[in-house]
Amino acid sequence: AQSVAQPEDQVNVAEGNPLTVKCTYSVSGNPYLFWYVQYPNRGLQFLLKYITGDNLVKGSYGFEAEFNKSQTSFHLKKPSALVSDSALYFCAVRDLNSGYSTLTFGKGTMLLVSP
Amino acid sequence: GAVVSQHPSRVICKSGTSVKIECRSLDFQATTMFWYRQFPKQSLMLMATSNEGSKATYEQGVEKDKFLINHASLTLSTLTVTSAHPEDSSFYICSAINRENGYTFGSGTRLTVV
Repeated sequence: AQSVAQPEDQVNVAEGNPLTVKCTYSVSGNPYLFWYVQYPNRGLQFLLKYITGDNLVKGSYGFEAEFNKSQTSFHLKKPSALVSDSALYFCAVRDLNSGYSTLTFGKGTMLLVSP
Repeated sequence: GAVVSQHPSRVICKSGTSVKIECRSLDFQATTMFWYRQFPKQSLMLMATSNEGSKATYEQGVEKDKFLINHASLTLSTLTVTSAHPEDSSFYICSAINRENGYTFGSGTRLTVV
C-alpha cells in the first residue's frame, strides 16, 4: 500500500519569506513523487517530480523539493514566497514497484502568502 | 504539450437526470485515464481507472452503475453520472498518463445537482 501525509492543513507565510510545505510518504518499493498546485475550481497543475537522481528537484515557478529517503520525506520549498503562490498544494506518490499506475494524494495544504 | 481538456467546466442538472463529462488528451495518446472526485477542502479521491478498449477498474465503494466510464479511443474517456442526486454534487477531475511529467490533469468539472 502507498500513502502520503501532509501534516499541515494550512501554512501562513509573509511575502518574500521562504516557505516549506511538508510531505511524508510510505511505499513498499521505490517512490515516484509529485507536487501539484490547485487554484480554486481548477484542475491540478504539475510543479515537479522525483523518480531518481539528485535529491534536490527544481520545478516550476521557483519551487523545489528535497527527497530524503531516510526520513521518507519530500518537502516543497521556495526561497521567497509571492502572494500569487497562495493556493492548495498536493503531494502525491506512486509505488514504482507495485505494477499499478495510480497516484495516491495527500489531503492537501493550503498556502496563504500575506502581502 | 501533454494537455488534457475536460468539459464541461460547470454543469447544473436536475435530480434524476444524467450528466456526461468528457476528458480528452489533445496532443498525446492516453491508454490510461483516471477519474477523481474532490469534496470541498478535501483531497482527490480516485473513483476509477479507465483503460482504452476495456472495462474500467472501480475503487471500492464506487458504484459502477451510477458512474459509467467509457474509454472508447486513445484520446477520449467519458464519465456519465446516471440518475444524479444532490449528494453527487462535487468537483470531478480526470487525469491521463503522459510521457513528459507522468500525469496531466483536466481543469475539472463542477457538478451541481438540484
